[in-house]
Amino acid sequence: KNEVEQSPQNLTAQEGEFITINCSYSVGISALHWLQQHPGGGIVSLFMLSSGKKKHGRLIATINIQEKHSSLHITASHPRDSAVYICAVRPNTGNQFYFGTGTSLTVIP
Amino acid sequence: DSGVTQTPKHLITATGQRVTLRCSPRSGDLSVYWYQQSLDQGLQFLIQYYNGEERAKGNILERFSAQQFPDLHSELNLSSLELGDSALYFCASSVGDGTYYEQYFGPGTRLTVT
Repeated sequence: KNEVEQSPQNLTAQEGEFITINCSYSVGISALHWLQQHPGGGIVSLFMLSSGKKKHGRLIATINIQEKHSSLHITASHPRDSAVYICAVRPNTGNQFYFGTGTSLTVIP
Repeated sequence: DSGVTQTPKHLITATGQRVTLRCSPRSGDLSVYWYQQSLDQGLQFLIQYYNGEERAKGNILERFSAQQFPDLHSELNLSSLELGDSALYFCASSVGDGTYYEQYFGPGTRLTVT
C-alpha cells in the first residue's frame, strides 16, 4: 500500500512547455514537501507546503489538504529542469515520512 | 552546496561487515534525518535525531543504529551487511523538529555490498 502516489511516473516535454506533476496521499498531514533529485543524485528541497500555493521563480506548488492532493507546476520548462521530482509527507499521527516514487522529467531543447 | 556534509562518498564492503556513515549538519541545525534510497524501494525514512535525542523512527532495521553527538554530527552504523543494503544513504538537517521545517540534504554516501 502506497501512502503517497505520484503521476505521471515519467514525463518528456519540449523546452518552454508548462508541466504539471501530481501527488496524492492517503493520510492526514500538516505539510507536504516537494524535492528535486538531479541525475548526479543530489536532493534539493523545493517547497514545504501546508496550505494554498507557493512560488519560487518558474516553480509553483499548490496543495489542497482536504482533498489530499498537491501539484507542482513548472512554467517555461528548460532542459536544466530535467530531474526526478519527489513528494513527501509526514502524517499528523506518528513520526514516519512517506515518499512518492518520483516523477522523472526530461525536457528536450 | 547545502552545507550538510557526508563521509565517505563511496563505500564498498563485503557481506557480513559493519560500516559507519557520518553526517555533519548545517551550522545551527539541530535535527538530523537519515534516509535510504535503493533502486527498488525509492526513498525511505530511517531515523531522526533532534539535539542529541532520537525523535522519530521509520523503517530502520535492527541491524542499523544511529546516534547524534553533542557537537550535533550524526553517525549511522550498519552491521551484518547484506547485498540488499546496497543503496544511497542520505542525511538531511533542519533547524527545528517537525514537519514545518525545510530539510537540507547532504550529497549522500553510496554503499555497495558485494
